[in-house]
Amino acid sequence: DTEVTQTPKHLVMGMTNKKSLKCEQHMGHRAMYWYKQKAKKPPELMFVYSYEKLSINESVPSRFSPECPNSSLLNLHLHALQPEDSALYLCASSQGRVATNEKLFFGSGTQLSVL
Amino acid sequence: AQSVAQPEDQVNVAEGNPLTVKCTYSVSGNPYLFWYVQYPNRGLQFLLKYITGDNLVKGSYGFEAEFNKSQTSFHLKKPSALVSDSALYFCAVRGVSGGYQKVTFGTGTKLQVIP
Repeated sequence: DTEVTQTPKHLVMGMTNKKSLKCEQHMGHRAMYWYKQKAKKPPELMFVYSYEKLSINESVPSRFSPECPNSSLLNLHLHALQPEDSALYLCASSQGRVATNEKLFFGSGTQLSVL
Repeated sequence: AQSVAQPEDQVNVAEGNPLTVKCTYSVSGNPYLFWYVQYPNRGLQFLLKYITGDNLVKGSYGFEAEFNKSQTSFHLKKPSALVSDSALYFCAVRGVSGGYQKVTFGTGTKLQVIP
């Protein structure tokens, strides 16, 4: 299994809603990432977990809350989002620690629309 | 700070012709360079990477990239383009930014292969 699976594929939410994005991989990877991608723009790093510990937070607003319950799962909890948060949210994983030469495996993303 | 420049927003090439997608980078220390491809509504897929060694790197789907240290470039190439190669291509560099290892993506180049 060489896949990173993200659910849901599409999500529409109001600004007062609470929702969660889920990401799962069974490749034994120990680093997992959340990226945000606006249309026709490069992915922007949000969070990195290394061995289930949050190692990087790119100054992301607190309305985004990551969680790594175990080595295979990564969640992104959303609360009180703004319309400008509408984007494609990508999960990725890599094999070991946040190392220099490892490729990233990406999921297909969750297309989020905030109304 | 590290950066990646992809000077062309879009590259058009006729099917069967060679293609080149340009990338230049700036990073402290040794560069770790990657190319990823993104199809519509999908996550990024790894194509190839340069860590060390031969300047010509071969990757997936017949793509290759040439590392040129003096020109700080890492151009993506393919001898004969296919219509199915039409997609968004991202160059990326991995290095230390803000005190930790981080991948920085270029702005992307849309490749259009014309039948």
